[in-house]
Amino acid sequence: EAQVTQNPRYLITVTGKKLTVTCSQNMNHEYMSWYRQDPGLGLRQIYYSMNVEVTDKGDVPEGYKVSRKEKRNFPLILESPSPNQTSLYFCASSLKHPRTNYGYTFGSGTRLTVV
Amino acid sequence: QKEVEQNSGPLSVPEGAIASLNCTYSDRGSQSFFWYRQYSGKSPELIMSIYSNGDKEDGRFTAQLNKASQYVSLLIRDSQPSDSATYLCAVSSNTGNQFYFGTGTSLTVIP
Repeated sequence: EAQVTQNPRYLITVTGKKLTVTCSQNMNHEYMSWYRQDPGLGLRQIYYSMNVEVTDKGDVPEGYKVSRKEKRNFPLILESPSPNQTSLYFCASSLKHPRTNYGYTFGSGTRLTVV
Repeated sequence: QKEVEQNSGPLSVPEGAIASLNCTYSDRGSQSFFWYRQYSGKSPELIMSIYSNGDKEDGRFTAQLNKASQYVSLLIRDSQPSDSATYLCAVSSNTGNQFYFGTGTSLTVIP
């Protein structure tokens, strides 16, 4: 089944404890992205990757890191999580870059709480 | 100014009616436009994409694009209770590197 797999689905952690949210897609998509979704603010892009080893900042990159060493994987790293990073996170992938007519396939989401 | 603006609603329509959802965007260079549906507690799923001016139909859904007015809309004909969800408008950036999302319109279809 074509899908984007995120793990974990739910995570409660403490301030400052490094964590990684994994994302993997099996559709050979070139473009991958991380979003956070907060009430009233909608989906905001954290980082995106146009292809392997090509990553760039989105609109809210502070406090996050990413890497794209393989085409299928795009992990999101929080080196020192803070309570303001409590949010619902989505990984998404698209066959090609956004200027084309291909939309996103989203992962199931990761509900992160930082206490 | 936000890149993509949507009326947050809630929008309520009776079952069988036409639901009309609207979206405006600020970047004149945007080339691709999308509508997603998001049920409560779930991830967004793609409904339709459009990149040419005019209408594009897919079953009960019609997307309309007017680049001169920087306006995208989604019509849902014969609305069903299962259409009750939040609808997200997404627009590609001028550079083509990013998607921008609106905050979504909440739709409730009343049986």
